[in-house]
Amino acid sequence: GNSVTQMEGPVTLSEEAFLTINCTYTATGYPSLFWYVQYPGEGLQLLLKATKADDKGSNKGFEATYRKETTSFHLEKGSVQVSDSAVYFCALRNNNAGNMLTFGGGTRLMVKP
Amino acid sequence: EAGVAQSPRYKIIEKRQSVAFWCNPISGHATLYWYQQILGQGPKLLIQFQNNGVVDDSQLPKDRFSAERLKGVDSTLKIQPAKLEDSAVYLCASSQRQGPSYEQYFGPGTRLTVT
Repeated sequence: GNSVTQMEGPVTLSEEAFLTINCTYTATGYPSLFWYVQYPGEGLQLLLKATKADDKGSNKGFEATYRKETTSFHLEKGSVQVSDSAVYFCALRNNNAGNMLTFGGGTRLMVKP
Repeated sequence: EAGVAQSPRYKIIEKRQSVAFWCNPISGHATLYWYQQILGQGPKLLIQFQNNGVVDDSQLPKDRFSAERLKGVDSTLKIQPAKLEDSAVYLCASSQRQGPSYEQYFGPGTRLTVT
């Protein structure tokens, strides 16, 4: 079956530090990969996605590259801001199984000024 | 464009009581999802509707959970009777259609505490 594993948090960084949140997956077939972000008191929002191997998703300074050989989709940002403090979820969707999303456990990021 | 609406935002009940949650998807979205997010875990799909029909309810505990989307628009999720382990955030999401090309949009969730 499908599963997503991401690094446990919380991750605490100072403003302008480099961010990496690791995500690895297990899936049948060729899934699409996603990063969602959940700001305090708000719903999940799609941050970025990649639909095939070697694709790079990017948005708001965040990037993640679909690595089929290592079954990974690590999230990176070169310089974090206090406003990036949130919980980040890695997820996959098996393109042969409708629209069902499988999520990782989430990683809380705290950025200090 | 209005997002996915959910109510209530918070609910506290005692075990063995009943509770219902309501979701109004984005206008025109045919597909609606209910997820359960237990503290410290990622969301888990409970049920997926396409219009007023159930597409997938394989992870819905049917002995106590039920959901309906009678007119193919808004939806209710009910728990009867509640157990302590049902304490979680219940997320509703919608997408324009079913299929990999269509993004899911999430509501703010209902936080349920069962005491």
